[in-house]
Amino acid sequence: NAGVTQTPKFRVLKTGQSMTLLCAQDMNHEYMYWYRQDPGMGLRLIHYSVGEGTTAKGEVPDGYNVSRLKKQNFLLGLESAAPSQTSVYFCASRSWGRGGRDEQFFGPGTRLTVL
Amino acid sequence: KQEVTQIPAALSVPEGENLVLNCSFTDSAIYNLQWFRQDPGKGLTSLLLIQSSQREQTSGRLNASLDKSSGRSTLYIAASQPGDSATYLCAFRGHGSSNTGKLIFGQGTTLQVKP
Repeated sequence: NAGVTQTPKFRVLKTGQSMTLLCAQDMNHEYMYWYRQDPGMGLRLIHYSVGEGTTAKGEVPDGYNVSRLKKQNFLLGLESAAPSQTSVYFCASRSWGRGGRDEQFFGPGTRLTVL
Repeated sequence: KQEVTQIPAALSVPEGENLVLNCSFTDSAIYNLQWFRQDPGKGLTSLLLIQSSQREQTSGRLNASLDKSSGRSTLYIAASQPGDSATYLCAFRGHGSSNTGKLIFGQGTTLQVKP
């Protein structure tokens, strides 16, 4: 049981380049989230999804797009990377609605540097 | 806007000490609060989850309490060990986001336990 996995683990981009971060979960969770973590600012929610085919904006969505074509995958895209998007990106999925604990499970993170 | 504050930002203690980490929140309409541990360069591991109807939760040497009236949660670590060295994050979920599951994170407390 892998839980939540993220690809890639590290990436360096030049300003203006594009890339896609992949998050996969094998727990059959409906809800998935993308956060970014910056020094002194904690984790902030970028986008989230409450089920396959749905997405919604979080606290800091500008400059990012997301897609949830399959239940197990949640993709985060940067169309034109900017230095302000240098951060560590975390994906999470949520267990809920099966009588169990309502909590989020996090992936190991992707460290992105934009030059 | 909901704010979550963690004090202190950093803490260094000798091995064996009992210690308390603090988390305060501004919105009294709390759904639940989750404490996480983050090791350097790693993802988040859930430690304890307290529902709004609960006063405390315990797991081994960890005890988390919740005081809704004062807008505070504390994480108590008994008999600290060097392996407890990590950053501890609290995350608030309000009733307004009980369906979406959105978490609001504090900035974290970085703990160092010296042998």
